[in-house]
Amino acid sequence: KAGVTQTPRYLIKTRGQQVTLSCSPISGHRSVSWYQQTPGQGLQFLFEYFSETQRNKGNFPGRFSGRQFSNSRSEMNVSTLELGDSALYLCASSVNPGTAFRGYGYTFGSGTRLTVV
Amino acid sequence: KNQVEQSPQSLIILEGKNCTLQCNYTVSPFSNLRWYKQDTGRGPVSLTIMTFSENTKSNGRYTATLDADTKQSSLHITASQLSDSASYICVVSEEAAGNKLTFGGGTRVLVKP
Repeated sequence: KAGVTQTPRYLIKTRGQQVTLSCSPISGHRSVSWYQQTPGQGLQFLFEYFSETQRNKGNFPGRFSGRQFSNSRSEMNVSTLELGDSALYLCASSVNPGTAFRGYGYTFGSGTRLTVV
Repeated sequence: KNQVEQSPQSLIILEGKNCTLQCNYTVSPFSNLRWYKQDTGRGPVSLTIMTFSENTKSNGRYTATLDADTKQSSLHITASQLSDSASYICVVSEEAAGNKLTFGGGTRVLVKP
């Protein structure tokens, strides 16, 4: 079955612009989590959605937001982009948050590489 | 602050040799500890997952150990192959915080022929 699909794979944006990234989870998975990965900070949790509701949120400014649709696909939006937002943005899906945190069926996508210039 | 520290930051080994990566954590109590392999430009892929009561778990040439008393884990790669070149990330699930995941900074491994 298809894995977690993230689009686009690469994106270049100018400082001050906004961007929307998309994540389609594995069929049947209803939980989607988003992460930012940078060389300096490693992987950092952004937020988690389950059944169209945000369940958990990391320590990121309000410029970072997300949502989940009824088909479990999720989008994250970053407004007023800053140079420091350049990163690999990863999403991961699981059947539900419980299986995610017990380590079963927690699958990452290949990520979207965002470069802010 | 709960942390997960990995060492070394990077490692170069010759094909066929063994290597061991370290992970020290301060997260407590924790639910489980996982090791992920991340190829360049790809998402992390789970290698092993261990609960508090487990002290070793193998996945092919990868063997993870866990000492919950000293809060240390290691990932041993046996007979390394060129395809083992990747970043290896230690992740601890924090039970007290609704199973929040705390990631280590990773160890970048380069296997040379």
